Amino acid sequence: EVQLVESGGGLVQPGGSLRLSCAASGFTFSNYPMHWVRQPPGRGLESVSVISGNGGSTYYGNSVKGRFTISRDNPKNTLYLQMGSLRPEDMAVYYCVREGLRTTDGHNYLDYWGQGTLVTVSS
Amino acid sequence: EIVLTQSPATLSLSPGERATLSCRASQSVSSYLAWFQQKPGQAPRLLIYDASNRATGIPARFSGSGSGTDFTLTISSLEPEDFAVYYCQNRSNWPWTFGQGTKVEIK
Repeated sequence: EVQLVESGGGLVQPGGSLRLSCAASGFTFSNYPMHWVRQPPGRGLESVSVISGNGGSTYYGNSVKGRFTISRDNPKNTLYLQMGSLRPEDMAVYYCVREGLRTTDGHNYLDYWGQGTLVTVSS
Repeated sequence: EIVLTQSPATLSLSPGERATLSCRASQSVSSYLAWFQQKPGQAPRLLIYDASNRATGIPARFSGSGSGTDFTLTISSLEPEDFAVYYCQNRSNWPWTFGQGTKVEIK
């Protein structure tokens, strides 16, 4: 059974830093690109970042570029998101998501989501 | 960045009725569009990918259509468990953007 369990959320002051982790199990972690998607309280979804299976390629949303860093440790089956220079607008539930539904033309989709971890940015 | 606009924002319907949700893209995404369902306190669940293909385990009452810039999610006959928020998502290029959501509520 595929499981994604996020941790590391909490209260942080504006300008502070936080590192989120996502422990993956039930599949061959290194075979799949992984995403972070966030959702501010009561609002919609936003793609934050994605990393390829071997960690060699990363992409970021415009709102976090230069402040957040995505990484992965494949032997430990763990995904990370290092967040810096946090702003009140970064407050959200952060989901770890597998890009695992593979189509015949290679355009994959998000299939499994964790339950999320809440990041609160406030003084 | 491709902007997805969903309409209506809220759909008030009764169980058994048909629901039609719209998603319009600011530029063509070909057929690289997905639909997700989200219930309160839960993570989103993939319903439809490639605009019209149902994901594993998704009931046949859910169907998707469209290509280019205009897409539709149809729920043929609403079940009590279908009242939720629905999001469309573009995966044609990065960033993978989401629509703002349509809430399907009980009338």
